[in-house]
Amino acid sequence: GAVVSQHPSRVICKSGTSVKIECRSLDFQATTMFWYRQFPKQSLMLMATSNEGSKATYEQGVEKDKFLINHASLTLSTLTVTSAHPEDSSFYICSARDLRGNTEAFFGQGTRLTVV
Amino acid sequence: AQSVTQLGSHVSVSEGALVLLRCNYSSSVPPYLFWYVQYPNQGLQLLLKYTSAATLVKGINGFEAEFKKSETSFHLTKPSAHMSDAAEYFCAVSATGNTPLVFGKGTRLSVIA
Repeated sequence: GAVVSQHPSRVICKSGTSVKIECRSLDFQATTMFWYRQFPKQSLMLMATSNEGSKATYEQGVEKDKFLINHASLTLSTLTVTSAHPEDSSFYICSARDLRGNTEAFFGQGTRLTVV
Repeated sequence: AQSVTQLGSHVSVSEGALVLLRCNYSSSVPPYLFWYVQYPNQGLQLLLKYTSAATLVKGINGFEAEFKKSETSFHLTKPSAHMSDAAEYFCAVSATGNTPLVFGKGTRLSVIA
């Protein structure tokens, strides 16, 4: 099956700094990728839809200035958590759907962000 | 709009016993339905998916699910639980096309030896 690679798998940063998370589709092109956030023992909540070549679409309640999304190519989307604070600590997961007739959504391995 | 309800946040079964994880969906269009498994600090792995073909869907690791439109359900089953099945399971729904998945709250499966 198709592969989505997400890096880093875990990161620890100081409050006030910014962290960039990369999501790559390795063997297919993804015009659209999705970013989710997962709190401990909870479900995945959609944060935003990343569109190649255009602005991301954010879900209600998600601060677009804090969570910057860039979808520069058909295989790469990045999520930058700006001026991170401890409450931003969470598990972030990206996803992409292979449009070659495959309806499955492929997920990255996730990034555990800890802000200290 | 789509939504998913997973009944039971935690299910505990004995090793070798039947596994039944419940999922009910709501969708304004014919749904695509998925079951994913997640192990601690990892991403999601697809178990199986329903895409309007056969209503009984067989997945990996011996899991299967049956799409019942009249009951708006897509329950996940496995005849005999194994210790390695202990994990978090998520049911998800989406419309056709390039749309995001909407997830249920998840069900944690514990398997007792």
